Amino acid sequence: SQTIHQWPATLVQPVGSPLSLECTVEGTSNPNLYWYRQAAGRGLQLLFYSIGIDQISSEVPQNLSASRPQDRQFILSSKKLLLSDSGFYLCAWSVYGGAKNIQYFGAGTRLSVL
Amino acid sequence: DQQVKQNSPSLSVQEGRISILNCDYTNSMFDYFLWYKKYPAEGPTFLISISSIKDKNEDGRFTVFLNKSAKHLSLHIVPSQPGDSAVYFCAASAINDYKLSFGAGTTVTVRA
Repeated sequence: SQTIHQWPATLVQPVGSPLSLECTVEGTSNPNLYWYRQAAGRGLQLLFYSIGIDQISSEVPQNLSASRPQDRQFILSSKKLLLSDSGFYLCAWSVYGGAKNIQYFGAGTRLSVL
Repeated sequence: DQQVKQNSPSLSVQEGRISILNCDYTNSMFDYFLWYKKYPAEGPTFLISISSIKDKNEDGRFTVFLNKSAKHLSLHIVPSQPGDSAVYFCAASAINDYKLSFGAGTTVTVRA
């Protein structure tokens, strides 16, 4: 069966520090991968998605970047965090070319920028 | 531009009664619709979905209804249980699109 791992679960970082959140998927090949952010009391905002290695699309201009160094690994980064980067970050995957676009989510990372 | 809208931010229902969650969409290219359930500090979990070629899909206590002409879908939970207390997100995707558009969510509270 497929599983998705996301870490760390909680992170407290000072303003101006770098960020690296990692997500890996097991049990499937060539998945579509996604990064979302949920701000407090709000819905899910798509940040990045990837349909293959080095194929990454950005949905919202911001202080963040994403990379996919391996087929089942997706990394969210920032060189210098802003206060507004605080939020709940979610990684998700879906079957590449699947007829049903069902996305499966990781447990999320709570990021607090102070 | 919010293409998927959940106009009720919260819903309170008594245990054993029916919960009805509503969702409206504006993009006529959407052909696949999903509901997710989310507990605090956890990722959303897939609940149920429906294709645009159907108007109803049922899975146990959960039923999703789709009205394409009205661009409206709803999720019925019968009977509601305390464990159903969570945030429910409606989502939609268009043909050959990798992305999902999410609504803002409805927080359901099931009272004992």
